[in-house]
Amino acid sequence: DAGVIQSPRHEVTEMGQEVTLRCKPISGHDYLFWYRQTMMRGLELLIYFNNNVPIDDSGMPEDRFSAKMPNASFSTLKIQPSEPRDSAVYFCASSLHGVAEAFFGQGTRLTVV
Amino acid sequence: AQSVTQPDIHITVSEGASLELRCNYSYGATPYLFWYVQSPGQGLQLLLKYFSGDTLVQGIKGFEAEFKRSQSSFNLRKPSVHWSDAAEYFCAVGPANQAGTALIFGKGTTLSVSS
Repeated sequence: DAGVIQSPRHEVTEMGQEVTLRCKPISGHDYLFWYRQTMMRGLELLIYFNNNVPIDDSGMPEDRFSAKMPNASFSTLKIQPSEPRDSAVYFCASSLHGVAEAFFGQGTRLTVV
Repeated sequence: AQSVTQPDIHITVSEGASLELRCNYSYGATPYLFWYVQSPGQGLQLLLKYFSGDTLVQGIKGFEAEFKRSQSSFNLRKPSVHWSDAAEYFCAVGPANQAGTALIFGKGTTLSVSS
């Protein structure tokens, strides 16, 4: 398996623009997680899904953030409108049965100018 | 509240010297414990995990960790550090026997290796 695949690897956008981050989990995994990493706050859980259903979105910072998982092999994290404070590395991870180890993608480095 | 504390933000170790990275957790239930490593520009890779049984667990790249329930600790160790071990290390905790909950991560310890 190719592992968790995220795209794009880098994204630079202007404040106010919509940004969409994409994730393909490992085939067969039933949990998908979105994390955000910053120097100040470390790794923060934004939202996670089980069998394509959002389970906990309490970490989503604002209504500007939304995430979807239309099928077992694809998820998106959307920020609209984007702000400079959204600049961070966004990681997607997947796991089997939830409590086992999570496998991480290489992340998307987002810069909002 | 559930939390993971990594007291050392940055550690520098000489190549060939031993290493210990500290991790303490606060968790209401029996925990599963993990150490991940992140190289620059990369995602997180699992080093080792503790679910149950022997409290000393072996991982990849010569790392080991010891679970001490009485101290709520899960410290990572390596007897001889290599320059390639320079990276950021994250401790994480999740609930044992309870599916459907995400891992909680510490803020990480950056390891530098000097020659």
